[in-house]
Amino acid sequence: SQELEQSPQSLIVQEGKNLTINCTSSKTLYGLYWYKQKYGEGLIFLMMLQKGGEEKSHEKITAKLDEKKQQSSLHITASQPSHAGIYLCGAWRGSQGNLIFGKGTKLSVKP
Amino acid sequence: NAGVTQTPKFRVLKTGQSMTLLCAQDMNHEYMYWYRQDPGMGLRLIHYSVGEGTTAKGEVPDGYNVSRLKKQNFLLGLESAAPSQTSVYFCASSYGRAGDTEAFFGQGTRLTVV
Repeated sequence: SQELEQSPQSLIVQEGKNLTINCTSSKTLYGLYWYKQKYGEGLIFLMMLQKGGEEKSHEKITAKLDEKKQQSSLHITASQPSHAGIYLCGAWRGSQGNLIFGKGTKLSVKP
Repeated sequence: NAGVTQTPKFRVLKTGQSMTLLCAQDMNHEYMYWYRQDPGMGLRLIHYSVGEGTTAKGEVPDGYNVSRLKKQNFLLGLESAAPSQTSVYFCASSYGRAGDTEAFFGQGTRLTVV
C-alpha cells in the first residue's frame, strides 16, 4: 500500500485559476518535501516542511503542514503554463535514511 | 557545480544482460538513494545508503544490487535484466535525514529491456 497518498492524481486547470494538491500519510510526518518534475526530466526541490502548522511560500506556490503533521497541501495561486508538471511529496520513514514518495499529481494548465 | 550525475542517460539492454548504473555526487553527502519511476507508480525506492560501505533495501530491491565503496559514488547493478526492469531510474543524495536538508536528484537514466 502507498504510505503517502496524493490527491488528485491529475488535474487540468485554466490558466489563472487557483488549485490545491494534497498529500496524506497514515503516520506522523517528519520532514515533508515537495518536488516538481517536468516531463522527462529530474526532480526540482520546491519546499521542505518540518513543524506542525508550518507554512512556506515561494513565488505563487504555498505549502502547509497541518498541526497533526499527517497531511500537507500545496496551493498554487493564479496558475501559469510554467506550473505544469508532476508534483511529488516525499517523507522520511524509520530511523534510517528511507525517503519515500507519493505517486505524484500531474498538473496541466490550459492557456 | 555538478551536483548529482547519473551515467548513462539512456540504455537499451537485451533480456539477461547485465549492466551497472553509476551515480556520482560532489556535495560530500552521506545519504544516497536509487529510485525507479514507472507510469502511475511514482518514485519507488530500490536501495539506499546512509554512508560509505553501507547499503540497505528499499521498497522494491529484488533484481538489483548496489555498492557504496566510495562516499561519492553509488552503483546500481542489474545482474540479469528483465523487461519488468524497463523504467526511468533516479539517483538522489542528501546530507542527512529527517528534515536536515533537501535531497538532490540526478537527471535520470532511461532503461529499456527488450
